Amino acid sequence: QKEVEQNSGPLSVPEGAIASLNCTYSDRVSQSFFWYRQYSGKSPELIMSIYSNGDKEDGRFTAQLNKASQYVSLLIRDSQPSDSATYLCALSGAGSYQLTFGKGTKLSVIP
Amino acid sequence: SQTIHQWPATLVQPVGSPLSLECTVEGTSNPNLYWYRQAAGRGLQLLFYSVGIGQISSEVPQNLSASRPQDRQFILSSKKLLLSDSGFYLCACEFSGGSYEQYFGPGTRLTVT
Repeated sequence: QKEVEQNSGPLSVPEGAIASLNCTYSDRVSQSFFWYRQYSGKSPELIMSIYSNGDKEDGRFTAQLNKASQYVSLLIRDSQPSDSATYLCALSGAGSYQLTFGKGTKLSVIP
Repeated sequence: SQTIHQWPATLVQPVGSPLSLECTVEGTSNPNLYWYRQAAGRGLQLLFYSVGIGQISSEVPQNLSASRPQDRQFILSSKKLLLSDSGFYLCACEFSGGSYEQYFGPGTRLTVT
């Protein structure tokens, strides 16, 4: 049974700061990792995918994966109030269609 | 363009009534399709997934069922709703086979009274 752990938060950061969101997982064979953003009352939106160790940057977002330590993180640079949302970490195993989701970290960016 | 449609957007149903939620996708063929439920304060729970017409895999035993009558149509049903069926029902689509990237539709918020 895959488990995905996230700090539920809320994580509060001032506008313009770097927000750091972390996720750990239990299944060593997990291969694909995803970050979703979910605004209150809305459906999750895929913002980052990462498949290999290291960093992957997309605009203000950077995903970091360390398979040996079994963690994946999301950094949001120059945080904006519009980044305030719940961020969900998800992963899938090798050859598996199924994603396992964490319960999410609520981020609040304070103007 | 790749789009996921879900309807209805909101639904209030009495206990014991039937349910039918529909999901259709555009801009792809033979996608993998998924039904999730998100209950208040809880994580996303995978209910069903389908890799093709008529192929349904169930993840959680319950009073719900799913069907895929057409390539880009996925239906979630129940014969008799329970209070515990309340939640946010999300259809997801993997547009690109092998990427494992799932995109979510707008969802249906179901309240069972």
